[in-house]
Amino acid sequence: GDSVTQMEGPVTLSEEAFLTINCTYTATGYPSLFWYVQYPGEGLQLLLKATKADDKGSNKGFEATYRKETTSFHLEKGSVQVSDSAVYFCALTLLNSNTGKLIFGQGTTLQVKP
Amino acid sequence: DTEVTQTPKHLVMGMTNKKSLKCEQHMGHRAMYWYKQKAKKPPELMFVYSYEKLSINESVPSRFSPECPNSSLLNLHLHALQPEDSALYLCASSPTPGTIAYNEQFFGPGTRLTVL
Repeated sequence: GDSVTQMEGPVTLSEEAFLTINCTYTATGYPSLFWYVQYPGEGLQLLLKATKADDKGSNKGFEATYRKETTSFHLEKGSVQVSDSAVYFCALTLLNSNTGKLIFGQGTTLQVKP
Repeated sequence: DTEVTQTPKHLVMGMTNKKSLKCEQHMGHRAMYWYKQKAKKPPELMFVYSYEKLSINESVPSRFSPECPNSSLLNLHLHALQPEDSALYLCASSPTPGTIAYNEQFFGPGTRLTVL
């Protein structure tokens, strides 16, 4: 079946450190890939997306590249801030889906310390 | 207007109460979703509406009853809930089904539900 696997957290970093959160997927069709972020007490916000192989999604200093050969979509940021502390979800949906169903990873909690 | 709104923000109800959650979007999206999220877990899909018709029910108990009165509005009616139903309930919407943009879902801030 279709699934998303994220690295387990929590991830604790100092401010200005480099961030990588690993995400790999299994899909029976051709997926679109997403990173969502959830700040404490809030809903999910779309952080970035990629819809085909080798696409790079980017937003607010975060980047992720759709790697079909390794079935991965790792999230990176060069210099994290305290305000980046949140839960990050990797997700996929199939291009030919008639339901638009999002399949989420388990989420990775990021804590950035000043 | 590029947001999904949800009311109320917080709701406390007893097991014999009837209450409703409301979700609204004015982006012209034709698909709307209800999710349930427990603490430190990813959202779990409950229902999908496509063109105001229920297209997916993920085996949700009948004490949860969705309704889509028009293309902008989605309700979730709650009756005889159990304490284990306490969670964050998220609404989402996405553009026209069948298009590539359909795959992108926009989430509301959620309703934090506590069942006593």
